Amino acid sequence: QVQLQESGPGLVKPSQTLSLTCTVSGGSISSGAYYWNWIRQLPGKGLQWIGNIYYSGSTDYNPSLRSRATISVDTSKNQFSLKLSSVTAADTAVYYCASGPLGEGHFDYWGQGTLVTVSS
Amino acid sequence: DIQMTQSPSSLSASVGDRLTITCQASQDISSSLNWYQQKPGKAPKLLIYDASNLETGVPSRFSGSGSGTVFTFTIDNLRPDDIATYYCQQYDNLPSWTFGQGTKVEIK
Repeated sequence: QVQLQESGPGLVKPSQTLSLTCTVSGGSISSGAYYWNWIRQLPGKGLQWIGNIYYSGSTDYNPSLRSRATISVDTSKNQFSLKLSSVTAADTAVYYCASGPLGEGHFDYWGQGTLVTVSS
Repeated sequence: DIQMTQSPSSLSASVGDRLTITCQASQDISSSLNWYQQKPGKAPKLLIYDASNLETGVPSRFSGSGSGTVFTFTIDNLRPDDIATYYCQQYDNLPSWTFGQGTKVEIK
């Protein structure tokens, strides 16, 4: 069974870049069976899909975050990463990484989530 | 963008009750809809995919139906362990996934 684990700083200053990594175990990112996603949950609110990456490096982003988000993959480490630039307090959220089976529209495996607070 | 509107935003029901949550899409999304359960402090868990298919291992008390713009999610025989927030999620206009605002379920 695929397992995902987010890691990265829990506190980021305004205007700086948020950086998170998701480590995948129990399966290979290079298998090509999944898209690898970042999803966030704003405090007390719903869920927002940020973007995803395929093992080949092909990416897609939420149009509302496209100008600030960059997702990359390191197949040698079985990891993928998120960078979100020019953060503000509005980016404070729990960030999840999740797998989405190729050709399907759902997210089947999720990390536990990591809270990132944007504050000086 | 396709907007997903869930109702109600919260509800309170008794153990053993049947409850229904509705999700309405701003445009026709065929059967491109999933349902998730999120317990406090946990990641969402997939319950129903493609509007009506039960994810492996999920109790049959949970069910989904609908197509087009109106979808329903039902829990039969509500149990205390079902306390959670439930979200719908559409995937009709890939590569952009959007979620409903969530329905918080509490036990009376």
